[in-house]
Amino acid sequence: AQSVTQLGSHVSVSEGALVLLRCNYSSSVPPYLFWYVQYPNQGLQLLLKYTSAATLVKGINGFEAEFKKSETSFHLTKPSAHMSDAAEYFCAVRAGGTSYGKLTFGQGTILTVHP
Amino acid sequence: DAGVTQSPTHLIKTRGQQVTLRCSPKSGHDTVSWYQQALGQGPQFIFQYYEEEERQRGNFPDRFSGHQFPNYSSELNVNALLLGDSALYLCASSLNRLGEQFFGPGTRLTVL
Repeated sequence: AQSVTQLGSHVSVSEGALVLLRCNYSSSVPPYLFWYVQYPNQGLQLLLKYTSAATLVKGINGFEAEFKKSETSFHLTKPSAHMSDAAEYFCAVRAGGTSYGKLTFGQGTILTVHP
Repeated sequence: DAGVTQSPTHLIKTRGQQVTLRCSPKSGHDTVSWYQQALGQGPQFIFQYYEEEERQRGNFPDRFSGHQFPNYSSELNVNALLLGDSALYLCASSLNRLGEQFFGPGTRLTVL
């Protein structure tokens, strides 16, 4: 079975500051990992994904994440926050084999960016 | 190219009623997955449809059922609605069962 834990339900940063959103996963098989963003009253948009290639993954809007197997982590970072980054972020895991497309999501982290 | 579309956008029902939600996948996609997102929670997997059959199911009761049509669109049906069924229901489509999932805007269901 797979599970995801997002540390911190709310993160607040100043515009221009580093964004760090934490995600730890549990998986019995090598995982595929994803970060999604959700703006108010909208669906989920994929930011980036790890599928066993490079451990440092670059996504859209300047976000990136690093897969660390030893720490079972996949933290999301952005060097400089922008007001438009304010949203809720979800980390998700998918296992191969018979799990196919089932995504298991974390509880989400709401990012607030203040001027 | 239209993305994933869902209808209706909002729905209000009373306990005990039945509801049907609809999803049209992104052009070229053949697989549809449904998720329930309760307020303040992450989405939870309900089931996935491929080749008009339910292929995988999450931990949801039989009150939740679905269908996939030959044109790959899908419906989610919920019977005997409970207050706890109030949530945002998200549809995601993908090119085959392992493809990247593209999400629709969701249907907000309120059960009174």
